[in-house]
Formats: sequence, structure tokens, C-alpha cells
Amino acid sequence: GENVEQHPSTLSVQEGDSAVIKCTYSDSASNYFPWYKQELGKRPQLIIDIRSNVGEKKDQRIAVTLNKTAKHFSLHITETQPEDSAVYFCAASDVNTGFQKLVFGTGTRLLVSP
Amino acid sequence: GAVVSQHPSRVICKSGTSVKIECRSLDFQATTMFWYRQFPKQSLMLMATSNEGSKATYEQGVEKDKFLINHASLTLSTLTVTSAHPEDSSFYICSARARTPGELFFGEGSRLTVL
Repeated sequence: GENVEQHPSTLSVQEGDSAVIKCTYSDSASNYFPWYKQELGKRPQLIIDIRSNVGEKKDQRIAVTLNKTAKHFSLHITETQPEDSAVYFCAASDVNTGFQKLVFGTGTRLLVSP
Repeated sequence: GAVVSQHPSRVICKSGTSVKIECRSLDFQATTMFWYRQFPKQSLMLMATSNEGSKATYEQGVEKDKFLINHASLTLSTLTVTSAHPEDSSFYICSARARTPGELFFGEGSRLTVL
């Protein structure tokens, strides 16, 4: 089955800096890669996703890149703000088969200091 | 985005009792829902896939007799933790997929504390 690894586990940046979180996946059949933001005690919220037919996607300060050959994808947050502080999870799934189960990475705790 | 509602948000029970958690898709029909479990400072671990009108599919290592899943309608799935023990204390989150392939929406989560 799919296995998703995520690094780093914690990331501390100053407000205004950029933050990058990286994930690798094992199953070459995976074709959908979402990123979720989870604040303490709350539900994960989808912030951006990418499908395997594109290499990059951007939404304001957030961007995701995908390298299918290397089986890794990254989340980039620019001009970080204190409200970006949360735990971020990457995930992977194959939307063409079965139940399209999402397998999550281990999470990255991002702390943005004012 | 689509709305998934989960109830209760918090429950405290005594060891040995059973607890039922409900997951509803409020503005869409969900033939498939997923139940995740999350321990403090850890990732979301898929427990089972809930299918409307059929038996749930459990992940390896998850006891189907302990975590009973019923997906009786296109908008409701329930998870019952039977004979709960302190080690079952966790954050249980359901999710459902709307129209877009792959995209999942999560419920608010249910924090279970077993005394």
C-alpha cells in the first residue's frame, strides 16, 4: 500500500519568511496530492491540492509542486503570518481505483513568530 | 465546500461502555465515508472505509468487532466503539467525498475520553 513520508516534523520561521514542507510517496499509481492545515483540536482543512497531470499549482501565498518521477511533492508558503501557525499534513491517493483512500503524512508543526 | 458534521464533539465514558459517533454529510450524498483516528501530536490513521448499504472495509490491525461501522443512508455513517477502554481514548474524525474525485471534507471530530 501507499506510504507517505513528511519532513520536517517541526518548522519555526519568522513572520515574512518562506516555509517549505516536503513529502515523498511510494505508490506510483497515486495521482492526487492534497495538503491539509489542522489547528489544535479542530478538523483538517484542505488548503491546496494538485493532481498528477500538472507540476505546479499556486493560490495566493501557497504553492505546491509535484515531481512524479522522483515521487515527491512540496508545499511552499511565502510571506508567512502568525495565523499560518498550525500542523500541516500532506496526503496521497489514487482517484482512479477503489475507494480513493487518502494516506496521510506524519505532519509538520509550523510555528511563525511575529 | 461541502459540509460534514460530526456528533458528539466530546464524550467521556466509563470503561466497558459503548459510545456511538455520528457523521453526516449535510449538503451532499456520500456513498463512501472514511473514519480516521488521531492520537495527540500524531497523524490521521485510517481505520475503515464506510460504504452505504454494505459492510465496512477495515484497515489492517483495526478490530471490526470493536469498532462497529454502519452506513445506513447516503448521508449518515456511525462509528460505535464497543466496550471502550482507556487506550481507546482518541480523536475520531470522519470524512466524506463530494463530487470532485479525491477531495475529502472532514467532520469536526469527536474527542473520546474513557475513564
